[in-house]
Amino acid sequence: AQSVTQLGSHVSVSEGALVLLRCNYSSSVPPYLFWYVQYPNQGLQLLLKYTSAATLVKGINGFEAEFKKSETSFHLTKPSAHMSDAAEYFCAVSDSFGNQFYFGTGTSLTVIP
Amino acid sequence: EAGVVQSPRYKIIEKKQPVAFWCNPISGHNTLYWYLQNLGQGPELLIRYENEEAVDDSQLPKDRFSAERLKGVDSTLKIQPAELGDSAVYLCASSLHRGIDTQYFGPGTRLTVL
Repeated sequence: AQSVTQLGSHVSVSEGALVLLRCNYSSSVPPYLFWYVQYPNQGLQLLLKYTSAATLVKGINGFEAEFKKSETSFHLTKPSAHMSDAAEYFCAVSDSFGNQFYFGTGTSLTVIP
Repeated sequence: EAGVVQSPRYKIIEKKQPVAFWCNPISGHNTLYWYLQNLGQGPELLIRYENEEAVDDSQLPKDRFSAERLKGVDSTLKIQPAELGDSAVYLCASSLHRGIDTQYFGPGTRLTVL
């Protein structure tokens, strides 16, 4: 069985500061990991995904995440926050067949001008 | 390319009434998902279709929820009768195939049960 834990339901950063959103996973099989973003009143949009290739994954809008097996983590980072990054971010885990797809509880990112 | 379309966007009903949600996936996408998203929570899978076959409905409360995907395209999710606890956002997503193909989400239907 797979699951993900997102540490910190709310994160605030100043505009231009580093964004770090934490995600730890639990999986009995090699996991595939995803980060999605949700803007108010919209559906989720894929930021990036890890599928057992390169451990450092680059996504859209300047975001990237690093898969660390030893730490069972897949933290999302962005070097410099922009006001438009304010949204809800979800980490998700799946097996390779997509038979089990689980989302975390989400982290709300606030960007302070 | 048109995205996933859902309707209605908002629905307010009284408890014990029936309600239905409609989803039109991206053209050519074989896999369709229905998720339930409670306030402050991540989406939870209700049912997954591969073409017109429901291949994972283990989390669907079958006493009151039903779903169909006729001809492997559009899908409808129904609740009858609705309960207060069903108030949530119902998300539809589609992907080209199952597995790790990117899921594309619709904007969701926000249901309020009074």
